[in-house]
Amino acid sequence: ETGVTQSPTHLIKTRGQQVTLRCSSQSGHNTVSWYQQALGQGPQFIFQYYREEENGRGNFPPRFSGLQFPNYSSELNVNALELDDSALYLCASSAGQIQYQETQYFGPGTRLLVL
Amino acid sequence: AQKVTQAQTEISVVEKEDVTLDCVYETRDTTYYLFWYKQPPSGELVFLIRRNSFDEQNEISGRYSWNFQKSTSSFNFTITASQVVDSAVYFCALKGPGGSEKLVFGKGTKLTVNP
Repeated sequence: ETGVTQSPTHLIKTRGQQVTLRCSSQSGHNTVSWYQQALGQGPQFIFQYYREEENGRGNFPPRFSGLQFPNYSSELNVNALELDDSALYLCASSAGQIQYQETQYFGPGTRLLVL
Repeated sequence: AQKVTQAQTEISVVEKEDVTLDCVYETRDTTYYLFWYKQPPSGELVFLIRRNSFDEQNEISGRYSWNFQKSTSSFNFTITASQVVDSAVYFCALKGPGGSEKLVFGKGTKLTVNP
């Protein structure tokens, strides 16, 4: 196990609702990245947080937003849910800017179903 | 733009057979990092290996081996004497220079090892 935890494990929402997913990073890691994985696809980068600041963003609309807290845990918020938001959401933590320590270790994911 | 191609969508083998998973990447960066992750049915991405672009040595870890060839932009993964527990989806991923945020994943190869 990586030490990266995510909650909840599963979630069912209806279109138009808002959702918050949570991630606790591995001890000693200051960077958290979020990915969306649609069924049968590879994970797609949403954004990354380094020391509480957004450090890069993928091709996702502004209704996908995030936060990182002083303990380096993180939240992913999605507003105005759409059916296509149904996916596995993966959180990964890494040691950030430290050379040779940038491997991202993933949590078990949150499966979101939007009806 | 960075891109990872895993041309093999699904592979099925019988236990004890050797199997090679192909990965071809595209990048304009001179420094980059390549990864392989394993995703069992539970969903968590398990880190297998990281390789830096300036280190073309092949690596062996137990039954796993990796062949990195910059000349053909390939980073192939071989499982020797496959076992049923190797059944999973395997992802190859690419990351840019230090400080760069995202992992770019291929679409994955689903490996089924039959008893």
